[in-house]
Amino acid sequence: KAGVTQTPRYLIKTRGQQVTLSCSPISGHRSVSWYQQTPGQGLQFLFEYFSETQRNKGNFPGRFSGRQFSNSRSEMNVSTLELGDSALYLCASSPVMLGQGNTEAFFGQGTRLTVV
Amino acid sequence: TQLLEQSPQFLSIQEGENLTVYCNSSSVFSSLQWYRQEPGEGPVLLVTVVTGGEVKKLKRLTFQFGDARKDSSLHITAAQPGDTGLYLCAGAQNTGFQKLVFGTGTRLLVSP
Repeated sequence: KAGVTQTPRYLIKTRGQQVTLSCSPISGHRSVSWYQQTPGQGLQFLFEYFSETQRNKGNFPGRFSGRQFSNSRSEMNVSTLELGDSALYLCASSPVMLGQGNTEAFFGQGTRLTVV
Repeated sequence: TQLLEQSPQFLSIQEGENLTVYCNSSSVFSSLQWYRQEPGEGPVLLVTVVTGGEVKKLKRLTFQFGDARKDSSLHITAAQPGDTGLYLCAGAQNTGFQKLVFGTGTRLLVSP
């Protein structure tokens, strides 16, 4: 069974630009959640999508948005990039919504975004 | 607000030594997971513990969930260089906006 696939692996963008990251979950998994990881803040929750609907959202500005398609693939968009947005962006897939039952999250390799 | 505190933050040991990493919270979790992450990669799930007091073993790694399901520990016996990485605990909860809360992380370096 293929794991979680994130594309691209690496990205360099300029301040003010926007970026779209993609995540393909494990086949059959309907929940996709996104996290930002930085050395100083650790893993910070961005949002979770389940059945094409955003179910939970972390404390990030509106520049961070996402969506999920009918095949459970998800995209995350960051507009008006700032230097502080440089981070490893991770997505995780789960068979059920996080918090239900013995939730297990499986992560992709991440997208390393550098804003210059 | 970080709900899960891990200690120590950093650990540098020699091959063959034993170590324990702690994950503590004032919140109760329905389950708790441990992950290991290598540089530039995503976290890899090692184990999930569900029942208070539960102990799970994965080769040289022993995981324990606290009786009250608020804390957990990871013990590594005879550490090897391949154990090097960032260890993260994550607690699952069904309240609040963040259903899977991650710990602050423990960075382990095992030298030959």
